[in-house]
Amino acid sequence: QVQLVESGGGVVQPGRSLRLSCAASGFTFSSFGMHWVRQAPGKGLEWVAVIYYDGSDKYYADSVKGRFTISRDNSKNMVYLQMNSLRAEDTAVYYCARDKYSSSSGALDIWGQGTMVTVSS
Amino acid sequence: QSALTQPASVSGSPGQSITISCTGTSSDVGDYDYVSWYQQHPGKAPKLMIYDVSNRPSGVSNRFSGSKSGNTASLTISGLQAEDEADYFCSAYTGSSTPVVFGGGTKLTVL
Repeated sequence: QVQLVESGGGVVQPGRSLRLSCAASGFTFSSFGMHWVRQAPGKGLEWVAVIYYDGSDKYYADSVKGRFTISRDNSKNMVYLQMNSLRAEDTAVYYCARDKYSSSSGALDIWGQGTMVTVSS
Repeated sequence: QSALTQPASVSGSPGQSITISCTGTSSDVGDYDYVSWYQQHPGKAPKLMIYDVSNRPSGVSNRFSGSKSGNTASLTISGLQAEDEADYFCSAYTGSSTPVVFGGGTKLTVL
């Protein structure tokens, strides 16, 4: 079935790095844009980053620009989020999500279960 | 890019209809027909309910409908049911270097 499975979350100290992974299955991964969206405890959804179907374009929220990098490997049906210089305010559940289109319409029709990232000393 | 504006909470009785608004600007909601709505139950991932302003994904009840006027989009839920109690978020495409923006979310209580 169509699904996304995130991994790589955990507890990390401020200033350190973490890489999240998202494994896709059940659909033609290389045809869709892929997003990362996060949700701090008790808060709303915050869009983080998007990568187009072929990796040609990537965009980031201002809050993570210069610190986070989104990438994908269409041969492995994987999307990644490399998070550097982590801050306490990055603490959140991170969701991987599929765009209905090849780019970044924002219509996210498939979501993973989320992976928790806690930034704390 | 500022977050879209939603009411913090709405409520309704079973069988009634409610509408949740989502106000943006002429650079996002008002400029593109790429508004989406998501339902999120506690501890669960969000679920797409409406996309491209008024389209329902397969499997979503026709009790859910979306519309847009100017810079404000709306989600209407008719025939409220207990299982509709959840948080609802809107999102919009902005066409900028930060192409997606979410609303702050609305908690729906079914009385």
